[in-house]
Parts: sequence; C-alpha cells; structure tokens
Amino acid sequence: QKEVEQDPGPLSVPEGAIVSLNCTYSNSAFQYFMWYRQYSRKGPELLMYTYSSGNKEDGRFTAQVDKSSKYISLFIRDSQPSDSATYLCAASPMGTASKLTFGTGTRLQVTL
Amino acid sequence: GAVVSQHPSWVICKSGTSVKIECRSLDFQATTMFWYRQFPKQSLMLMATSNEGSKATYEQGVEKDKFLINHASLTLSTLTVTSAHPEDSSFYICSARPGNQPQHFGDGTRLSIL
Repeated sequence: QKEVEQDPGPLSVPEGAIVSLNCTYSNSAFQYFMWYRQYSRKGPELLMYTYSSGNKEDGRFTAQVDKSSKYISLFIRDSQPSDSATYLCAASPMGTASKLTFGTGTRLQVTL
Repeated sequence: GAVVSQHPSWVICKSGTSVKIECRSLDFQATTMFWYRQFPKQSLMLMATSNEGSKATYEQGVEKDKFLINHASLTLSTLTVTSAHPEDSSFYICSARPGNQPQHFGDGTRLSIL
C-alpha cells in the first residue's frame, strides 16, 4: 500500500464548476500537507500547504485536512481552462523540512 | 520570490555520455536541495537529498556512482548522470526550500539518451 493514495483521473469538468480533488494517506506521522500543480513538461508549482487538521483558503482554492480519517482535499471554485493540469498532493511528517511523499497526481481537464 | 532555476531544460545525447544538470536557487540560499525523477504519467520519486558542503543522501535503490551530486554553494547543486544509457531517459526535477517554507521546484530537465 502506498503511503499517499490519489486517484489518477482524468477528471473532466466544465468551466465554472467546483472541483474536488482528494488524497488519502496511511502514515499517522504526517503533519504537513501540500498541494502542487504541475503543467505538462514543467516542474510542480506549490499551491497551498497546511499543518494538521483544518481548512485553508487562498482565492479560488481551499485545502482541507481531516486527520481523523487521513483524508486531504483541494477544492477549486469557478474552475477555468487554465486550471487544467495535474494536481499532486504531498505529505511530510516533521515539518516542511522533511522529505515529501507524493501521491500519483490527478489529471484535471476544465473544458469550455 | 522563491525561484528555483534548472538548466538545461532538455538534453539529447548518445549512450555512454555523462550529462550534468544544474539547479540554482535564484533569490534565496538553500542548504538542502532535492533531486527527483519522474516517469510519464507517474509521480515524483525522490532520488537524493543534496546537502551543501557534505555528501548527498541517496534513497534506497539509487546508485550513487551513477548519479553524482555536488552541492558546492548555497545556491547551486548539480546532478551528473554518468555513462548514461537509454534506461536513464526521464524527467529530472530539483527542488529547494526557502527558509521554513515547503519545497519549491525547478522546471525540470528532460533527458533523452539515444
């Protein structure tokens, strides 16, 4: 079993839809959770990071962590075609300095 | 801020050649940088952790004599793929941490070995 599981998709939604991207994890030591966006043939771009459980909002993006169920989510409101990319969740145990464990990534396609 | 630059972005070379990839933190100093490998439609796999002024720490299964890492300054780490073969063809990505922030990534190097 992988430590971080993520549905690879692809997920296709119409422009303006609310997108929900999810990951589950198995390592109880994970404390920090990140979401990265990766466009084709580019490196991952940090979108958001959160510590422990709770919500964090940044513009159209909301990250949510539920440590009791080991479930992390990223919500994208008013999705745009430019949001089409692969979204990677990542987790680390001891703070942002620790090694990251990535999910496989979910490919999102926002259509006109 | 927090820009990580990687060079070259794409390299094609013959089998047996050694290839050097540079990773630079442009607007911050990084005592630690990370090197990843990514195959098509797969996630990032950590290869090694590069430490300024000391030896790199390699992940299990990664040949340290094959993938030479040098972190000579606080803004530059290099990965050299020695005697590259077609199976080494992949997308190599580096990252660095500005302060206590999470890792920021370079744009990757696409390596194709003929």
